[in-house]
Amino acid sequence: DTAVSQTPKYLVTQMGNDKSIKCEQNLGHDTMYWYKQDSKKFLKIMFSYNNKELIINETVPNRFSPKSPDKAHLNLHINSLELGDSAVYFCASSQKAWGSYGYTFGSGTRLTVV
Amino acid sequence: AQTVTQSQPEMSVQEAETVTLSCTYDTSESDYYLFWYKQPPSRQMILVIRQEAYKQQNATENRFSVNFQKAAKSFSLKISDSQLGDAAMYFCAYRRRSGATNKLIFGTGTLLAVQP
Repeated sequence: DTAVSQTPKYLVTQMGNDKSIKCEQNLGHDTMYWYKQDSKKFLKIMFSYNNKELIINETVPNRFSPKSPDKAHLNLHINSLELGDSAVYFCASSQKAWGSYGYTFGSGTRLTVV
Repeated sequence: AQTVTQSQPEMSVQEAETVTLSCTYDTSESDYYLFWYKQPPSRQMILVIRQEAYKQQNATENRFSVNFQKAAKSFSLKISDSQLGDAAMYFCAYRRRSGATNKLIFGTGTLLAVQP
C-alpha cells in the first residue's frame, strides 16, 4: 500500500487552463503539505494543513488554492495556469505539525504547461 | 529566517569508496532537527537520516552517518562503501522544534554520481 499517493503523476496542459492534483495519505498523520520543486531542483513549501486547518500559506499566487476535505486528503487546484507553473509538485505528510517527525513524500506530479 | 546551504552542487565517488556531503545552516534557535533526504532519478524523496540538535551523539543508519557540529552549524553526511544505488540528489533539511508552523526547509541539493 502506498503511504502518500498523488494523482496524476504527469500532467501536460495548455496555458490558461485550470487543473487539480490530488493527494491521499493512509498513515494516519495529522499534517499534510504541498511543496514545489523547480527546474533547479529547489524545494519550497507552499501550504500546510493540520487536521484540515490551514497553518502555513507561503507567498504563493492566489491562483493556487489548496483544499483539505479531511486529514487524509489534501488537494491542490491551480487556476489560469502559466508557463512558470511548470514544476514538480510534491505532497507530503508528517505525524504532527511540530517535533522530530520527518516527512513522508508522495512520488510527485510533474506539471508541464505549454 | 532559517537557511540551509549546500555548497557542493555535484560530487562524484568511486564504488566502494567513502564520500562526505557538506551542509551548513543558519538559525537563532537552540533546539531543532536536521535531516538528509535522497532523491534518486525516480523522483521519490526518501528520508536517509535524522539528527536531533539536543543530542551530541552523531546519528548513524547502516552505511550513512552524520558529523553534527552544533557550534559551527554544520551537518555533513558520510556515505561509506558507496554503491551504484546511492547515486541521487541529496538534500539537507532543517526543522525547528517549537511552534505549530515549523516547516521543513531544504538546501539546494548535491547531485552525487557513483562511478563503477
